Amino acid sequence: QVQLVQSGSELKKPGASVKISCKASGYTFTRCAMNWVRQAPGQGLEWMGWINTNAGNPTYAQGFTGRFVFSLDTSVSTAYLQISSLEAEDTAVYYCARDIAAADPGVFDIWGQGTMVTVAS
Amino acid sequence: EIVLTQSPATLSLSPGERATLSCRASQSVGSYLAWYQQKPGQAPRLLIYDASNRATGIPARFSGSGSGRDFTLMISSLEPEDFAVYYCQQRTNWPFTFGPGTKVDIK
Repeated sequence: QVQLVQSGSELKKPGASVKISCKASGYTFTRCAMNWVRQAPGQGLEWMGWINTNAGNPTYAQGFTGRFVFSLDTSVSTAYLQISSLEAEDTAVYYCARDIAAADPGVFDIWGQGTMVTVAS
Repeated sequence: EIVLTQSPATLSLSPGERATLSCRASQSVGSYLAWYQQKPGQAPRLLIYDASNRATGIPARFSGSGSGRDFTLMISSLEPEDFAVYYCQQRTNWPFTFGPGTKVDIK
């Protein structure tokens, strides 16, 4: 079946970096864009941006430029989110979410299970 | 940035009752509005997209309506598994934005 499986929880110190993976299966990876969504503890959902899985070009929402990098390895149907210079405020669950169709950006029909990133000294 | 406002913040109902959730956009989003359900410790689940289209596998008791700035999600008869937080989300303009959520809890 169609699914996205994310890497496990991370505990990092301030200033460190983290790279989260999101492995897709059950569909052609390059047919649908991949989005990243953040959810801080007890808070709502925040769209971070998306990456075109065919061309590989990312688009970042305001507030997620500079320290955040979306990347791909299409050979293993995996998307990545790297966050550098981690701050306590980056503590959150990070979700990858697939666009429902190439022609319909912004409808997130399949979600990964989420990766909890905790930043603490 | 398009701001979405959801009301009420919390809706306390009993199983079998009808739930009506609202979402208002700061400017028109046409019909490009989706609804998601999120249970504790789980990822969100797509319920409705483009205002009124049920996603694959979503029961018929969930329905969406509206256009422009005002949208409604209705759950015709609450099942025990429907108690959760519901988010609306627009895809008209970047950045795609979510509302703050409505929590439907058991009365």
